[in-house]
Amino acid sequence: GEDVEQSLFLSVREGDSSVINCTYTDSSSTYLYWYKQEPGAGLQLLTYIFSNMDMKQDQRLTVLLNKKDKHLSLRIADTQTGDSAIYFCASGSQGNLIFGKGTKLSVKP
Amino acid sequence: DAGITQSPRHKVTETGTPVTLRCHQTENHRYMYWYRQDPGHGLRLIHYSYGVKDTDKGEVSDGYSVSRSKTEDFLLTLESATSSQTSVYFCAISEGQGYSPLHFGNGTRLTVT
Repeated sequence: GEDVEQSLFLSVREGDSSVINCTYTDSSSTYLYWYKQEPGAGLQLLTYIFSNMDMKQDQRLTVLLNKKDKHLSLRIADTQTGDSAIYFCASGSQGNLIFGKGTKLSVKP
Repeated sequence: DAGITQSPRHKVTETGTPVTLRCHQTENHRYMYWYRQDPGHGLRLIHYSYGVKDTDKGEVSDGYSVSRSKTEDFLLTLESATSSQTSVYFCAISEGQGYSPLHFGNGTRLTVT
């Protein structure tokens, strides 16, 4: 079946940039998504990118998509302690999404 | 936030007992999903529904059943709970057409003793 892979942990210092990477196998994915999960809460949609785009910027968030390599990344500029959470990459279409296992981002003051 | 309510938020039950979790939405979205989240496994799809009385199995459906008698409600039933079903359960909804991200509820933490 289709799969989404991402590294499990990332640690950065406050004020630095964070880059979370993801690879996926479903070449028919129309949209790719990033979700954020804070402790004790559900997943919150953070941003998305349409499959015919290379880059999308949304305030401190930059999403890069390399469709040829099926590689997606999420860059968080000026990372703050409030960004500490688990970040999930998801690919798919028509509402059927496959999620990665999540990357736990730890931000050190 | 999308209007999704999961109930109960926490439940402790004994092995062998039936358990039903409820998901209620106010968005009139066509698709509804049940996921479980476990350490080391991420999110795994249990069942989903693409309309009233239309449901299908996901990746980890054994031991679970679902029902959707109204657009707004999606029920997940564990017929005879086992300790391996201790998990956090999330309901999600989506419109299912084109740009259709999933919107998640806040989860139900189920402990089977």
